Amino acid sequence: QSALNQPASVSGSPGQSIAISCTGTSSDVGGYNYVSWYQQHPGKAPKLMIYDVSKRPSGVSDRFSGSKSGNTASLTISGLQAEDEADYYCTSFTSSSTWVFGGGTKLTVL
Amino acid sequence: EVQLVESGGGLVQPGGSLRLSCAASGFTFSSYDMNWVRQAPGKGLEWVSGINGGGGSTYYADSVKGRFTISRDNSKNTLYLQMNSLRAEDTALYYCAKDWAAGATRKFDYWGQGTLVTVSS
Repeated sequence: QSALNQPASVSGSPGQSIAISCTGTSSDVGGYNYVSWYQQHPGKAPKLMIYDVSKRPSGVSDRFSGSKSGNTASLTISGLQAEDEADYYCTSFTSSSTWVFGGGTKLTVL
Repeated sequence: EVQLVESGGGLVQPGGSLRLSCAASGFTFSSYDMNWVRQAPGKGLEWVSGINGGGGSTYYADSVKGRFTISRDNSKNTLYLQMNSLRAEDTALYYCAKDWAAGATRKFDYWGQGTLVTVSS
């Protein structure tokens, strides 16, 4: 159950777009469309931003989008805003009927 | 409104035990899988354990298998995590998370605020 691989940090200026990658294996990301992304602000519980690779929960801005190619999923945030600054985590269902998270990515809005 | 309220955390010595609880409300508890996810101080999220709605199927991360036991009491709308043989590396904020599993959809759609477990002598 190795953690999914995410970049430790990404940054962008307001209005720009950024992408965060999440690389796993054929036993998790590549094998299932159960990939989710969570946003976590300091001292707060995680918030669901994307599920089933590319679906957006009600109330989440359409500036957030998800995709997957092979064993790598991606979260794209367009039109960066100051409030997007947070930690982002991907997670995937696995062939063992467990879940695995990525190590997390700190997004800095410059 | 869905609410998940964790309790039972605290300071425990290495080798000790602790039982966490998660009181659920605002949804039909027995219809949903539930999970425990933890976050060590300053670190990332780690899935710990999951249980199906009826309680008959349970799943564990390798890091806790054989030491932790997940269970639920659907008559009390409560999820539990029995933690035995605790180690310093189990120190973390423990969240319970509701698991929406229907058809082609899986997601942890609601999370509690967490309960802090500190393992130290």
